[in-house]
Amino acid sequence: NAGVTQTPKFRVLKTGQSMTLLCAQDMNHEYMYWYRQDPGMGLRLIHYSVGEGTTAKGEVPDGYNVSRLKKQNFLLGLESAAPSQTSVYFCASSRSYGDRGQALHFGNGTRLTVT
Amino acid sequence: GENVEQHPSTLSVQEGDSAVIKCTYSDSASNYFPWYKQELGKGPQLIIDIRSNVGEKKDQRIAVTLNKTAKHFSLHITETQPEDSAVYFCAAASGGSYIPTFGRGTSLIVHP
Repeated sequence: NAGVTQTPKFRVLKTGQSMTLLCAQDMNHEYMYWYRQDPGMGLRLIHYSVGEGTTAKGEVPDGYNVSRLKKQNFLLGLESAAPSQTSVYFCASSRSYGDRGQALHFGNGTRLTVT
Repeated sequence: GENVEQHPSTLSVQEGDSAVIKCTYSDSASNYFPWYKQELGKGPQLIIDIRSNVGEKKDQRIAVTLNKTAKHFSLHITETQPEDSAVYFCAAASGGSYIPTFGRGTSLIVHP
């Protein structure tokens, strides 16, 4: 049981290049999330999904797109990378909420540098 | 939307001392308050959570308290150990979406 796996772990892009970050979970969780972590800014939600085939915008969605074609995978895309997107990206998953909050399970992050 | 303030941003203690991290939230509808610990190079991991129908919860050396009236909640770590050194995040989530809003984190340093 690997939990939440993110690939790649590190990446360097030039301004204007595109890339896709992959997140996979093996816990059969309904909900998945993409966060970015910047120094002094905490964790900010980029996009999230409440089930296969669904996506929704979070707090900082501009410049990113996502897809959830399979329940276990959640992809984060950068179409034209900018230096402001230099960050550590975390994927997380959780069970469906029902009538109460649920713990998030995080991957170990992808460190992205845009030059 | 929800706004979570977390203090202090850095906390330095001696091994064996207690550490307290405080958070405030703005949305009175929030009813789920998790705390996460992030070790260097890893993703955050849930260490304890509390729901709005409970005022305090303990798990060994860790405790969380909630004051709904004042919209405050705090993490208490007793008998700190060097392995407690990490970044700690509080979060608040409200009924309906349950998407948590995170504080900016506290870097806890425990000196041997």
